[in-house]
Amino acid sequence: GAGVSQTPSNKVTEKGKYVELRCDPISGHTALYWYRQSLGQGPEFLIYFQGTGAADDSGLPNDRFFAVRPEGSVSTLKIQRTERGDSAVYLCASSLSSTGNEQFFGPGTRLTVL
Amino acid sequence: AQSVTQPDIHITVSEGASLELRCNYSYGATPYLFWYVQSPGQGLQLLLKYFSGDTLVQGIKGFEAEFKRSQSSFNLRKPSVHWSDAAEYFCAVGPYNNNDMRFGAGTRLTVKP
Repeated sequence: GAGVSQTPSNKVTEKGKYVELRCDPISGHTALYWYRQSLGQGPEFLIYFQGTGAADDSGLPNDRFFAVRPEGSVSTLKIQRTERGDSAVYLCASSLSSTGNEQFFGPGTRLTVL
Repeated sequence: AQSVTQPDIHITVSEGASLELRCNYSYGATPYLFWYVQSPGQGLQLLLKYFSGDTLVQGIKGFEAEFKRSQSSFNLRKPSVHWSDAAEYFCAVGPYNNNDMRFGAGTRLTVKP
């Protein structure tokens, strides 16, 4: 079956613009996670959904970042007024449920803010 | 607060040699520990995980890891490295409910022919 997919694979934008990053989880996975990976670093947790609701958004760096998962499947990470420091690879993962299950990662979206 | 330290940023080994990648963690409760591998342009792939039971865990691709509570370590090992093992390796720790995994900064493995 298909794995986690993320679109676009690459996104270049200008400082101050708005961007949306999409994640399609594995079908049937109720838990979905967003991470940010800066160059030379490990993934950093941003937000986690259980179903449609954000169960933990403590990793979002500020209120310019927002994520939704309206139907409990596809999720969109939204970044307003992008800054150069937002440049990173944004990873999405999904798991069968939130407890004790492996997270399957997508290939990521590389965001570059000029 | 939970955290993970991978002391080695980059390791080079010869093909066929043994490998050990170090991971130390800080966690207030019983940790749920993972090793992931990331190849260029690929997503993170789980190699193995540990929550309880036997402290020596077998994973995919011939990897194993040993949980040592007294040393707060979860080192990854492989007896004989293949050229295809060249990649970035990440250790991670989290609660059993999985919602706040913390990753180390990673160790880049280079394999010499």
